[in-house]
Amino acid sequence: EAGVAQSPRYKIIEKRQSVAFWCNPISGHATLYWYQQILGQGPKLLIQFQNNGVVDDSQLPKDRFSAERLKGVDSTLKIQPAKLEDSAVYLCASSLGAVRASSYNEQFFGPGTRLTVL
Amino acid sequence: KQEVTQIPAALSVPEGENLVLNCSFTDSAIYNLQWFRQDPGKGLTSLLLIQSSQREQTSGRLNASLDKSSGRSTLYIAASQPGDSATYLCAVPWNYGQNFVFGPGTRLSVLP
Repeated sequence: EAGVAQSPRYKIIEKRQSVAFWCNPISGHATLYWYQQILGQGPKLLIQFQNNGVVDDSQLPKDRFSAERLKGVDSTLKIQPAKLEDSAVYLCASSLGAVRASSYNEQFFGPGTRLTVL
Repeated sequence: KQEVTQIPAALSVPEGENLVLNCSFTDSAIYNLQWFRQDPGKGLTSLLLIQSSQREQTSGRLNASLDKSSGRSTLYIAASQPGDSATYLCAVPWNYGQNFVFGPGTRLSVLP
């Protein structure tokens, strides 16, 4: 079974530029998550999709970040314009679903995209 | 709001030792808890998922326990090997079990 795919693996941009990340979840996984991981910290959830609908985007900085999952499969996360503090690893994860008290919400992660903003 | 802490922040042990990593959470109304491993520059690998109805879960040399009432989980690694060197993170669900809140991780070094 193929895992979660992400691209690019690395990206270096200057502040105020735009950048986009792509994620393809495990086949059949309805739930997709984007996390931001700053060096030395645990991942912080940015947005969660259930199929093509947004379940939670309460921690997404909506003035500069946007995400979509148009056909309920792959997803893109965009930052426009980027700031220095956006330097982090952006992780995508997927799970079968988001059902309480169930292994359905066991998450599987992609390799991440390391973003450096200069 | 759910907050997750992990102790110690870093740990260095000689090969062959048994060790325990600790995870604490503030809201005990959780449905499950998941332990992950993260190698430098890589994504997270799921190690164990413990449902709230379970007290322990085992996979090979790894054993995870969960005590909801005290808000704690431990990850026990038996007979540690240099290949176990990585950062170990625990995560608990928030928002009715849908989203995960991560701890900051424990960075483990196993010396040959």
